[in-house]
Amino acid sequence: DAGVIQSPRHEVTEMGQEVTLRCKPISGHNSLFWYRQTMMRGLELLIYFNNNVPIDDSGMPEDRFSAKMPNASFSTLKIQPSEPRDSAVYFCASGTSGVEQYFGPGTRLTVT
Amino acid sequence: KQEVTQIPAALSVPEGENLVLNCSFTDSAIYNLQWFRQDPGKGLTSLLLIQSSQREQTSGRLNASLDKSSGRSTLYIAASQPGDSATYLCAVRPIGTGGFKTIFGAGTRLFVKA
Repeated sequence: DAGVIQSPRHEVTEMGQEVTLRCKPISGHNSLFWYRQTMMRGLELLIYFNNNVPIDDSGMPEDRFSAKMPNASFSTLKIQPSEPRDSAVYFCASGTSGVEQYFGPGTRLTVT
Repeated sequence: KQEVTQIPAALSVPEGENLVLNCSFTDSAIYNLQWFRQDPGKGLTSLLLIQSSQREQTSGRLNASLDKSSGRSTLYIAASQPGDSATYLCAVRPIGTGGFKTIFGAGTRLFVKA
């Protein structure tokens, strides 16, 4: 298995632009998580899905952030419009209920 | 509200030393606790998962214990090696969230000197 796949690995964009991050979970996993990691705030859970349905999006910082999971093998996290304070590493993880989470390599986002 | 604290924040030890990393959590109502390793610029790698009914888990030179009633877990690393240098994070899954939500500690940054 290739593990959790994230793209792009690095993204540099200007303030105000739309950013879309992509994630392909491990086949067979029914849960998917989006995290954000910064030096100041550590690792924060943004949203998680179970069986493609968003369960809890209380971690999403504001309406500029949105996430979708149209099918079991694909999810997106979109930021529109992006701001410099959104600069962070965004991780996607997948797993099954109550079992280990497996993390992707992350997308390093820089908003100038 | 569940909070996870890791002590120390950073640790530097000589190669070969046995060491203990600490994790504490404020609410004992958890499904499980998981220890992760993160190398600089990389994602998280799962090391050990302890279910709430278990007391410890072992993998190679790693041993993790869980005392749910006191809200504590330790990660023991035997005979440390320079390759163990990384940040170690613990995370709990609170009951009441369907086993999905995970709360992470800030991590302990470990440096093992050759």
